[in-house]
Amino acid sequence: DADVTQTPRNRITKTGKRIMLECSQTKGHDRMYWYRQDPGLGLQLIYYSFDVKDINKGEISDGYSVSRQAQAKFSLSLESAIPNQTALYFCATSDSGVSETQYFGPGTRLLVL
Amino acid sequence: AQSVTQPDIHITVSEGASLELRCNYSYGATPYLFWYVQSPGQGLQLLLKYFSGDTLVQGIKGFEAEFKRSQSSFNLRKPSVHWSDAAEYFCAVAPRSGSYQLTFGKGTKLSVIP
Repeated sequence: DADVTQTPRNRITKTGKRIMLECSQTKGHDRMYWYRQDPGLGLQLIYYSFDVKDINKGEISDGYSVSRQAQAKFSLSLESAIPNQTALYFCATSDSGVSETQYFGPGTRLLVL
Repeated sequence: AQSVTQPDIHITVSEGASLELRCNYSYGATPYLFWYVQSPGQGLQLLLKYFSGDTLVQGIKGFEAEFKRSQSSFNLRKPSVHWSDAAEYFCAVAPRSGSYQLTFGKGTKLSVIP
């Protein structure tokens, strides 16, 4: 969905490095999410934010941190990357209405060597 | 805890054949139900969703899904598969109240034989 953009699309980094993945949306949604996808495991929620001042841990938050700089921007950081954080990372957004439908970005493929 | 099961990891069908992808959920109350599709190298696209009302839901690309409360199922169907339907399909659920989290199944990969 072009309304949700992620940068970079691909990233190779080394163990111990700090990296940041960025997500921007033009949908005007309040809620934003970060997921990781591993083959055969589906998507797992890392963090979610219901507004700029409301950030919550998901099921696999260890080793990650986030920042909600504005309604439209939600960044995911790996403070000290490790190889088992190699995965495909997705950002998603939803509005705060009844629908709870999430709209996904194109993903960032991260390789930690 | 809520869970979503997609019992088929990989399904192969011939082009033009019918398709059914299974999804079962374990939840305290009927959740919101979704099907997403992920084409190779792409993000997830919403196919359809069920919130209430008619238990047969129509989605994009000719897909439909039927909610069966008694079986805790939300199976995805398509009467005639096209080669472009080859992708990975994810069933997901979300609670109707409280802290919102979307729980995904592990996905079913669909291959289409010409």
